[in-house]
Amino acid sequence: GAVVSQHPSRVICKSGTSVKIECRSLDFQATTMFWYRQFPKQSLMLMATSNEGSKATYEQGVEKDKFLINHASLTLSTLTVTSAHPEDSSFYICSARVIGRNTEAFFGQGTRLTVV
Amino acid sequence: AQSVTQLDSHVSVSEGTPVLLRCNYSSSYSPSLFWYVQHPNKGLQLLLKYTSAATLVKGINGFEAEFKKSETSFHLTKPSAHMSDAAEYFCAGGATNKLIFGTGTLLAVQP
Repeated sequence: GAVVSQHPSRVICKSGTSVKIECRSLDFQATTMFWYRQFPKQSLMLMATSNEGSKATYEQGVEKDKFLINHASLTLSTLTVTSAHPEDSSFYICSARVIGRNTEAFFGQGTRLTVV
Repeated sequence: AQSVTQLDSHVSVSEGTPVLLRCNYSSSYSPSLFWYVQHPNKGLQLLLKYTSAATLVKGINGFEAEFKKSETSFHLTKPSAHMSDAAEYFCAGGATNKLIFGTGTLLAVQP
């Protein structure tokens, strides 16, 4: 199956700093990537949909200026958490959809962000 | 509006016994439905999917699920649990541009 790689898998940062998380499709091209957030013992909540070469579409309640998404190529999307606060600590997961296979979405291994 | 409901937050079975994880959906149209598994601090792995073909869907690791329109259900089953099946399982529905996830079921497998 298709492989989606997320980096880093874990990151600890200080309050007020910014953190960038990368999501790469390793062996396929992805026109669309999705960013999810998962709180402990809860389900995944879609944050935004990232389309290559255009602006991301954010879900209601997600601050686009705080969670910057860039999808500069068909194999890479990045999520930058700006001016991080402890309440931003969470598990962030990306997924990518294969071009021409609209029923398939493959997930990265997730990034555990801890803001201290 | 579409919704996905996982009826059990925790399920515990003994190794070698059957597994049943329940999922109900609500949709105004014929949905695509998925089951994913998540091991601790890992991403999600697709177990199986239903996309309006056969109602009984076979997935990886011996799992299968049956789409029952009359019951609006898509329960996940496995005849014999293995210790390695212990994980969190998520039912999801919708198109992949807007997947809606259930709240998850934590499966524990006792030796």
